[in-house]
Amino acid sequence: QQQVKQSPQSLIVQKGGISIINCAYENTAFDYFPWYQQFPGKGPALLIAIRPDVSEKKEGRFTISFNKSAKQFSLHIMDSQPGDSATYFCAASDSGNTGKLIFGQGTTLQVKP
Amino acid sequence: NAGVMQNPRHLVRRRGQEARLRCSPMKGHSHVYWYRQLPEEGLKFMVYLQKENIIDESGMPKERFSAEFPKEGPSILRIQQVVRGDSAAYFCASSPSRSTDTQYFGPGTRLTVL
Repeated sequence: QQQVKQSPQSLIVQKGGISIINCAYENTAFDYFPWYQQFPGKGPALLIAIRPDVSEKKEGRFTISFNKSAKQFSLHIMDSQPGDSATYFCAASDSGNTGKLIFGQGTTLQVKP
Repeated sequence: NAGVMQNPRHLVRRRGQEARLRCSPMKGHSHVYWYRQLPEEGLKFMVYLQKENIIDESGMPKERFSAEFPKEGPSILRIQQVVRGDSAAYFCASSPSRSTDTQYFGPGTRLTVL
């Protein structure tokens, strides 16, 4: 019940295309859903986050879509660029508990020029 | 405002030795989380600490691992008698309070056990 399942494991997109990464969870107590971007040899960096009181959040080229009834959320990267090539992790936490993040398995994105 | 700092960035130990990983949270942050990332895997929660208190250690292995966050100084993750399976990247993250969910990650310490 603490798992967050992420797919796909890897993704190749052409420059200018849309990258879509999906995550699903089971614990209905989760109320905070961040996405992190990680480059090789670096720590994860917060990209964008959403709470279940909204169904969508957009920041620049990055959008989170959230479906509370399906317990799913996804990251859309519009106009994907080679510089977006990285590993992306979704996560979830129960802020009423300790706030520890439960991470998905990660998606390695490659954007081809 | 400096970010989360971790040192050393790379650590090599032989089996049976001790590893000490340090984490200095962002200024004004009193909450520290430790996560472990095994090769080709996601991050796994290990322990959550506030100053001088361990709040949640549900992700810590029962033996050989310990963590502290003293009143003064960095948080320390200590691994005694390391084994090859401990080889991983260890990240700490800090936040100003638990009610502020955003966690800011450090660059990690990459531990290699020979």
